[in-house]
Parts: sequence; C-alpha cells; structure tokens
Amino acid sequence: GAGVSQTPSNKVTEKGKYVELRCDPISGHTALYWYRQSLGQGPEFLIYFQGTGAADDSGLPNDRFFAVRPEGSVSTLKIQRTERGDSAVYLCASSEAGNYGYTFGSGTRLTVV
Amino acid sequence: AQSVAQPEDQVNVAEGNPLTVKCTYSVSGNPYLFWYVQYPNRGLQFLLKYITGDNLVKGSYGFEAEFNKSQTSFHLKKPSALVSDSALYFCAVRDISTENTGTASKLTFGTGTRLQVTL
Repeated sequence: GAGVSQTPSNKVTEKGKYVELRCDPISGHTALYWYRQSLGQGPEFLIYFQGTGAADDSGLPNDRFFAVRPEGSVSTLKIQRTERGDSAVYLCASSEAGNYGYTFGSGTRLTVV
Repeated sequence: AQSVAQPEDQVNVAEGNPLTVKCTYSVSGNPYLFWYVQYPNRGLQFLLKYITGDNLVKGSYGFEAEFNKSQTSFHLKKPSALVSDSALYFCAVRDISTENTGTASKLTFGTGTRLQVTL
C-alpha cells in the first residue's frame, strides 16, 4: 500500500479482556516495528521484526504482550488480560532493509476501562 | 545503551523568527540521528536524518539540523518559523556500533518538544 496502515484506529476494551492490533506495512518493507506512546511521552520501543522473525523483542513489557508476523508482511500485536496501564497509542512503522528511516502508521489508540 | 535528551518541553516562537529545538544523545559508538514531527492525532512524520558526511543536514519543510560530535548534539533549526510548524517534535538515535551494516534496528526516541509558533 501507499503507507503503513493500522487498524483499528481506536479501541476501547474492558480490563481483563484480550485485544489484537493490526499493522499492514508498506509493500516490500522487510523490517516492521511496534512502539507504544503514552500521553506526554516519546514512542517507546516494543519489538521489531526482520522478515517473519522477531529480531528484538526486548521492549515488550511482560508476557501479556506478544506479536507475530507469520508471512513477513502484516503483523498483529496481541495483549492478554489488559490493564488500565496498557492504555496508550500503539504505533507501527516499517522500513526497507538497510534503510535508516521508518515510515509510521497513524497508530491505534487503546483505552482500557 | 543509547539515549536521547530533549531538555525543553515546549518552545515558543513568533512567526518569522528563527527556531531551535534542542537534542543531545548518548551512544557507545557512532550515531544515526533523526528528527520526526507529530501533528495532533497523526502518526510520526520523518523530517531529516544524519548518517554520515556533512554535519549540516537539510530536511523537509525548510528544517535543518546540525550534528555536533564534540557536544553530542543534533539541534533542529529553521530560519523562519511558520504557524503551521506548531507540532510535537521528536529526536531519535540509533547506535550503529551494535548492528551489522544493512540490517535494521530500533530507534530510541526523546520525550518530545512541543513547538508553538504564534502570530
């Protein structure tokens, strides 16, 4: 596609529920990144994929968070047993291999009530 | 570990005046440096990057940034601010000493500086 697409744009869920956030990167971009941005903060790294594999998942805060990219294109960020502290904007970005700049999506605003 | 500091939460400038948004970084090796801008309810947009070469980097919308290795800084500048430049600006760094050339790795972002340009 023309840009990085994230769905849904907004998600409200109840504490304890499971959510999935989807990212559709730019076609041909091999690297895909997930970041989380809390109010008044800069984006915080969660995980990045090179192809289908997670090259660095050191930013995932705990084992309730998991992400997959089974075919090396679309990625899904999964959050189990959501907590109010998970409320944030979840940003996805993609880049070509060796390219030093990312293209970001518009984000998914997750609100846990 | 790599880190970025943006010491100003907000910068206020009158339209037509020059603007500077400050950024300092810390890496163990050589840095790749970036500036991104974020408008309300929008994703981050790339402005410019420093990889190597000339210390003065020119980017989108008339912005530029100067890499200063001795001061570990990468301040964002624009000679004449516009009201439409009002937004949140993020500096980011990537430490190239920890990766192989040609592969991707994570950026570390600062906390952001809100630029307010008024008439």
